[in-house]
Amino acid sequence: DAKTTQPPSMDCAEGRAANLPCNHSTISGNEYVYWYRQIHSQGPQYIIHGLKNNETNEMASLIITEDRKSSTLILPHATLRDTAVYYCIVIGGYQKVTFGTGTKLQVIP
Amino acid sequence: GAVVSQHPSWVICKSGTSVKIECRSLDFQATTMFWYRQFPKQSLMLMATSNEGSKATYEQGVEKDKFLINHASLTLSTLTVTSAHPEDSSFYICSARDRESEKLFFGSGTQLSVL
Repeated sequence: DAKTTQPPSMDCAEGRAANLPCNHSTISGNEYVYWYRQIHSQGPQYIIHGLKNNETNEMASLIITEDRKSSTLILPHATLRDTAVYYCIVIGGYQKVTFGTGTKLQVIP
Repeated sequence: GAVVSQHPSWVICKSGTSVKIECRSLDFQATTMFWYRQFPKQSLMLMATSNEGSKATYEQGVEKDKFLINHASLTLSTLTVTSAHPEDSSFYICSARDRESEKLFFGSGTQLSVL
């Protein structure tokens, strides 16, 4: 019963921007969009989150559509270390947090 | 940044023994902790939601007597795999929600191998 859908895989050339889309059409008004990434055999790493405004930090930018039904994570200059599985999840209140299948991003030299 | 410490990072045990995994929030208080299980090349599967001072809520298909969860304080939750069998071998991950910021942080995971 994941609340998000993402493409299963994407490739990106090293040094170029990686744009990872996520659909969350059933998101509720009090739910935030969170992005994490997971490298093999490690726990998910927090990247960024937002409610309705676009957000930017040292790792990435998050663009959320006005209707909040979808968002895009942008890694401005992808490096080989950014190769990972990226998960978009929605979190609100004290609800349980479930994961979709994520997007496997492969950064190509 | 906020840190969630999960211990041990890996464990090998004999079939029939019990294994305890600890999850601690080091610099924040966590009202809610989640336990996940992950098989190779698959996504995280939620096992249970644990709130401090109350019984854990288990997902459908997860045996509560098999996977004992204790959330005794705002910084510690434990998962005990009782009478482990080879099919319990998996990667177990905990996460903790910061009571103030409501951000969710993850432990580094525990690789359990049951022989």
